[in-house]
Amino acid sequence: EAQVTQNPRYLITVTGKKLTVTCSQNMNHEYMSWYRQDPGLGLRQIYYSMNVEVTDKGDVPEGYKVSRKEKRNFPLILESPSPNQTSLYFCASSSLAGGTDTQYFGPGTRLTVL
Amino acid sequence: DQQVKQNSPSLSVQEGRISILNCDYTNSMFDYFLWYKKYPAEGPTFLISISSIKDKNEDGRFTVFLNKSAKHLSLHIVPSQPGDSAVYFCAASAGTDKLIFGTGTRLQVFP
Repeated sequence: EAQVTQNPRYLITVTGKKLTVTCSQNMNHEYMSWYRQDPGLGLRQIYYSMNVEVTDKGDVPEGYKVSRKEKRNFPLILESPSPNQTSLYFCASSSLAGGTDTQYFGPGTRLTVL
Repeated sequence: DQQVKQNSPSLSVQEGRISILNCDYTNSMFDYFLWYKKYPAEGPTFLISISSIKDKNEDGRFTVFLNKSAKHLSLHIVPSQPGDSAVYFCAASAGTDKLIFGTGTRLQVFP
């Protein structure tokens, strides 16, 4: 089954404690990205990757890091989480960037930073 | 600066009636528009799309209309069903540039 998986689905942590949210896709997609969803703000892109070892900032990259060492994996790293990073996070993948190709989203990770 | 706007945060429609969800955009370079649907505890899923060379695209009960001069698109669901209750996001892109999402509209279809 074609899918994007994220782990963990739910996470409660404290300010400053480094964490990683994993993302993996099994569709051999070149393009992967991370979004956060906040009330009244919709989905905003954090980082994206056009291919292995190629990553770039989205609209709200501050406080986040990513890596793309393998095509299928695109982890999101919060080196020192803060309460304003409490949000719902989605990983997505597609064959191409932009809107001409369907993006497939993971189920989401709800993060709470105390 | 919100380039894609969904001014109605929520919409309530009776089953069997038409649901109309609206979306406005500001960037005239956008040439591809999409609607995604999101159920609670799930990721968004693709619903329907339209390119700027068309003004209408239909897929079953779902039709998207694009008015380029007004920079406006809408999603029509006819007839609406309780299973359509979800959050709907419109999104737009310029070529292979990233997708820009709207803020979402929560649709509730009641019996």
